[in-house]
Amino acid sequence: EIVMTQSPATLSVSPGERATLSCRASQSIDNNLAWTQQKPGQPPRLLIYGASTRATGIPARFSGSGSGTEFTLTISGLQSEDFAVYYCHHYNNWPRTFGQGTKLEI
Amino acid sequence: EVRLVESGGGLVQPAESLRLSCSASGFTFSSDAMSWIRQAPGKGLEFVSMISSSGDIAYYSDSVKGRFIISRDNSENTLYLEMTSLRVEDTAVYYCVSSGNWGQGTLVSVSS
Repeated sequence: EIVMTQSPATLSVSPGERATLSCRASQSIDNNLAWTQQKPGQPPRLLIYGASTRATGIPARFSGSGSGTEFTLTISGLQSEDFAVYYCHHYNNWPRTFGQGTKLEI
Repeated sequence: EVRLVESGGGLVQPAESLRLSCSASGFTFSSDAMSWIRQAPGKGLEFVSMISSSGDIAYYSDSVKGRFIISRDNSENTLYLEMTSLRVEDTAVYYCVSSGNWGQGTLVSVSS
């Protein structure tokens, strides 16, 4: 099983700043990585797939990068609605696994 | 618009069974693999099971293997999860997911 490790667990930033979230896979997953956002009381929402492709309707301030085992989600010009929990997960093989999440807070 | 609507959750006792359903619309259901992902209260996300577009291949997490069965009816655009021998640790919101689209989830509570 591929273990996904996210860092940091909590990231405190201010609106307008840039946030950088990291995700590491225990073995290579090529670019088979997705980022998902979850706000309290809501289902998760896909942000990024293929490590760097934004899902439909996702603003350009969200960008993903990386391949192999190291991945990054960058959110530029943070807006109030961006404060949420972010999960990475791989879909390279089964079992798919999620990271433990990064909580982005003000 | 893609729509995934889960149903069938509820409160059951340990060792009991429950069947979840997910009604899909807004996309070609028979062309997409489908997954069930769950989230225990206050916890992260966990893949439970996945089924191929035709329904002939299924995967299960170790935590549910042998107790849960995933299936689909492509003529009815519906995904199922048959859950047996339920445990307290199966308590979670269960989401139906397809190609990055998530349903609202259905809550399964297992408690004596």
